[in-house]
Amino acid sequence: SQTIHQWPATLVQPVGSPLSLECTVEGTSNPNLYWYRQAAGRGLQLLFYSVGIGQISSEVPQNLSASRPQDRQFILSSKKLLLSDSGFYLCAWSVGTFGKPQHFGDGTRLSIL
Amino acid sequence: AQTVTQSQPEMSVQEAETVTLSCTYDTSENNYYLFWYKQPPSRQMILVIRQEAYKQQNATENRFSVNFQKAAKSFSLKISDSQLGDTAMYFCAFLPIGGTSYGKLTFGQGTILTVHP
Repeated sequence: SQTIHQWPATLVQPVGSPLSLECTVEGTSNPNLYWYRQAAGRGLQLLFYSVGIGQISSEVPQNLSASRPQDRQFILSSKKLLLSDSGFYLCAWSVGTFGKPQHFGDGTRLSIL
Repeated sequence: AQTVTQSQPEMSVQEAETVTLSCTYDTSENNYYLFWYKQPPSRQMILVIRQEAYKQQNATENRFSVNFQKAAKSFSLKISDSQLGDTAMYFCAFLPIGGTSYGKLTFGQGTILTVHP
């Protein structure tokens, strides 16, 4: 069966520090991968998606970037964090384009001080 | 572009009763899927139910069912025999089919459901 791992679960970082959140999927090949951000009590905002190795599409211009160095690995990064980067970050995967639902990781709660 | 609207920020229901969460969407697509996701306090997003737009029959999953009205672009979730474990934030989501959709979901803003004992 397929599983998705996302870490760390919680992260507290100072303003201006770098960021690296990692997500890996097991049990499937060539998944579509997604990074979302969720502000407190709000809906999900799609940040990046990837349909293959090295293919990254950005939905929202911002201080963050994403990379996909391996088929089932998706990384969210920042060189210098801003206060506004605080939130709950979720990684998700799906297969194909025809109605397959996305499956989510457990998320990372990021607090910027 | 699609938009998904959940007009009920918060709802509450007594245990064992029935509650309906509303969702409307706007799209020019003819073929798509709709989903309800549940996010309990643990924050994990869990798929509750899926509806194919080309199917007139409403989807059901145990105590969860939907009322899909394609012409009205409405997709409500009914939870029967509510349980304390149903307490969560519920998100309605839209997925266009094929083309350049790449499986990208558009989410509503969510409805916080509280089940009271």
